Amino acid sequence: SQQGEEDPQALSIQEGENATMNCSYKTSINNLQWYRQNSGRGLVHLILIRSNEREKHSGRLRVTLDTSKKSSSLLITASRAADTASYFCATAGGDMRFGAGTRLTVKP
Amino acid sequence: ETGVTQTPRHLVMGMTNKKSLKCEQHLGHNAMYWYKQSAKKPLELMFVYNFKEQTENNSVPSRFSPECPNSSHLFLHLHTLQPEDSALYLCASSQGSLLDQPQHFGDGTRLSIL
Repeated sequence: SQQGEEDPQALSIQEGENATMNCSYKTSINNLQWYRQNSGRGLVHLILIRSNEREKHSGRLRVTLDTSKKSSSLLITASRAADTASYFCATAGGDMRFGAGTRLTVKP
Repeated sequence: ETGVTQTPRHLVMGMTNKKSLKCEQHLGHNAMYWYKQSAKKPLELMFVYNFKEQTENNSVPSRFSPECPNSSHLFLHLHTLQPEDSALYLCASSQGSLLDQPQHFGDGTRLSIL
């Protein structure tokens, strides 16, 4: 069964704007990971944040984790058309579970 | 590229056929995985191999049979599949446990069952 649930399911923004995606989960976790998937391709790992961390950055990406609320967010700043993809959170606890993803469209 | 290569990229087969999907990783990882990605459903972990040993089988029907001859190669043998098995099958690898390390994915095999 699904563990992480992304919100929103779809997001459409203009190039240069920021995009925020959220992930909620139900059970305790060791870490939470974010992945990107371009159409017709495999998933690409973006960031792994451990349960004892609250925030992590990688380039234009910022991930936060709130274990008390069982939620995480992925912020992409200054978005580009090339950021158009589906974004998934995956929770690692007793097993690995992926959410259904957020489809991000960045219009040039 | 990702360092994980899957072949074929596309496969169309009848329900009575037997075929195999192949995955090869060039990253020196010790763990490999098969996932199923169906339209509008979350990614489903099917099998986990760690140092060639299967450590997880998530209630996958026996018509899917994995094989891991070494830490770099992983196969998924298919026989007597059903139309609902049509999906994108993704292979991934990691160094260490999938619960602790990021996974590297191949681009998948798009499988269509007639």
